[in-house]
Amino acid sequence: DPKIIQKPKYLVAVTGSEKILICEQYLGHNAMYWYRQSAKKPLEFMFSYSYQKLMDNQTASSRFQPQSSKKNHLDLQITALKPDDSATYFCASSHRDSGNTLYFGEGSRLIVV
Amino acid sequence: QQQVRQSPQSLTVWEGETAILNCSYEDSTFNYFPWYQQFPGEGPALLISIRSVSDKKEDGRFTIFFNKREKKLSLHITDSQPGDSATYFCAASRGSNNRIFFGDGTQLVVKP
Repeated sequence: DPKIIQKPKYLVAVTGSEKILICEQYLGHNAMYWYRQSAKKPLEFMFSYSYQKLMDNQTASSRFQPQSSKKNHLDLQITALKPDDSATYFCASSHRDSGNTLYFGEGSRLIVV
Repeated sequence: QQQVRQSPQSLTVWEGETAILNCSYEDSTFNYFPWYQQFPGEGPALLISIRSVSDKKEDGRFTIFFNKREKKLSLHITDSQPGDSATYFCAASRGSNNRIFFGDGTQLVVKP
């Protein structure tokens, strides 16, 4: 059974719309992350959260907003979608205090038309 | 500035050959270097890792060679199998509680 669940697996959205990508992890980790993967940048760090608090943000656009309602949830809200946002978005988690091994979900593939 | 660089971008070897994937990094404070393997349609998964106190780490057919002075490392895959065909990412960090920086990946194809 997958320990990191991402929903939806595939998503087609219209330019200008808003979507939320869901991530839940059942590994007991205290840190969660979002990465983006596209042809332009193979694995690009976006955000990291630790104990539900934002630790690091490398996303310039405020259109990307992470949301953590529970310690094992880290959703990603994307507003005013653009075709350039088309990518696969990976959620990851780790046990921040005992090593840096990242465990990735299977990704949410977003296509913006 | 790219913190971690990988070469080649793509590599094709025959089954049974040794594939050598290269990686270099900029920041001398990096002390943890994981390699991730990614198959199409899946997320990356940790394959093998090394800490800067070691110069070699072996796990079955996969070996990391680490040169701290030159800030270089390489992943050797011996007796390559078609099932090893994947994208391999070299990464680096300064240890726990620090961001992991990924290279751009090497796409490996192993031909039967």
